[in-house]
Amino acid sequence: GAVVSQHPSWVICKSGTSVKIECRSLDFQATTMFWYRQFPKQSLMLMATSNEGSKATHEQGVEKDKFLINHASLTLSTLTVTSAHPEDSSFYICSAKLAEGYEQYFGPGTRLTVT
Amino acid sequence: DAKTTQPTSMDCAEGRAANLPCNHSTISGNEYVYWYRQIHSQGPQYIIHGLKNNETNEMASLIITEDRKSSTLILPHATLRDTAVYYCIVRGAGTALIFGKGTTLSVSS
Repeated sequence: GAVVSQHPSWVICKSGTSVKIECRSLDFQATTMFWYRQFPKQSLMLMATSNEGSKATHEQGVEKDKFLINHASLTLSTLTVTSAHPEDSSFYICSAKLAEGYEQYFGPGTRLTVT
Repeated sequence: DAKTTQPTSMDCAEGRAANLPCNHSTISGNEYVYWYRQIHSQGPQYIIHGLKNNETNEMASLIITEDRKSSTLILPHATLRDTAVYYCIVRGAGTALIFGKGTTLSVSS
């Protein structure tokens, strides 16, 4: 089946620094990737949608200059949390959609802790 | 907002069938019903999806009512490893999956 990986699986950073999370589709090409955030005991919240080669579309309330998304190839999307603060601590999950079809496949998630 | 309503939690005995209901009374004709599950601290896992016919795969069965306003996910023989949050999602073609609160299924021995 389609496999999506994320790196790193967990990261701790200091307040004010930036951190980059990678999302890769390992055995398929993904024209569209999605980024979600999940706080403890809550559901996944869609942050942004990115299409290869074009600007990402951020959901309402998600600052595009704080959560930078790059989708430079059909197998890689990155999320950079700039000037991270403790309230950005969360579980970040990416998802990739096959170029053909509707299914979304999810990565294992990245746990970010900002101290 | 999510377009589905699910019970907050359900319990099931190991080896028994788990039947998870979902209401989606405002579903449109071109929207599919998807089911995913999330085991603690992992990414969501695809289970099954359907449009109007019942579907079955190696993991589960999906029963959709004739009016498509509700559906039931059936895990035929639940095991302890099926303990997870189950999400029922209605989605049109090409759009992102929007997650509601889901049903926490607890399988016990």
